[in-house]
Amino acid sequence: EPEVTQTPSHQVTQMGQEVILRCVPISNHLYFYWYRQILGQKVEFLVSFYNNEISEKSEIFDDQFSVERPDGSNFTLKIRSTKLEDSAMYFCASILNSNQPQHFGDGTRLSIL
Amino acid sequence: GESVGLHLPTLSVQEGDNSIINCAYSNSASDYFIWYKQESGKGPQFIIDIRSNMDKRQGQRVTVLLNKTVKHLSLQIAATQPGDSAVYFCAENMNTGFQKLVFGTGTRLLVSP
Repeated sequence: EPEVTQTPSHQVTQMGQEVILRCVPISNHLYFYWYRQILGQKVEFLVSFYNNEISEKSEIFDDQFSVERPDGSNFTLKIRSTKLEDSAMYFCASILNSNQPQHFGDGTRLSIL
Repeated sequence: GESVGLHLPTLSVQEGDNSIINCAYSNSASDYFIWYKQESGKGPQFIIDIRSNMDKRQGQRVTVLLNKTVKHLSLQIAATQPGDSAVYFCAENMNTGFQKLVFGTGTRLLVSP
């Protein structure tokens, strides 16, 4: 069964540094998402992306965050200047159409020191 | 994907029992609901979904019930197995266009052999 893959599985970064989290969504999917989960808390929506542009973003997704689909297979989340409170699990998800359940990757654990 | 919190509701059952996990959702306009299972170190895994024009849907060993009057969802797992031990999340779709999921806080299911 096709799956969403995310790399790296764990990223350790110094505060203030830029970080890029990578995702390869399921190949024929058209809608792409990033969520985060702070330890002990619920999964939170960050951003949705369709037709090469952001369709919706949450208040968490401020100017420090950006997303990109640089080619036909990758979907990236960049944090320009990381803060301690960015430490969390980040999940990528994708769907073919908005009537289907989102398929999630296994996440990247981001640790900011 | 660490989703365990000190205050995560926990349901403990014996192998072979039926389990019922409950969820209250927030938006009466939500039109699509999904149950996910999250095992340690993994991303959310789709279990079953239901649209707002239905009140019950059955899958293999799982049933989802939707009560729109009180904004309540439940997940019933028949003949629970040790492999069902995980954290279970309900999610509601808050955007009918691009699908934006809002997750509940989760319930930990512990199945004893």
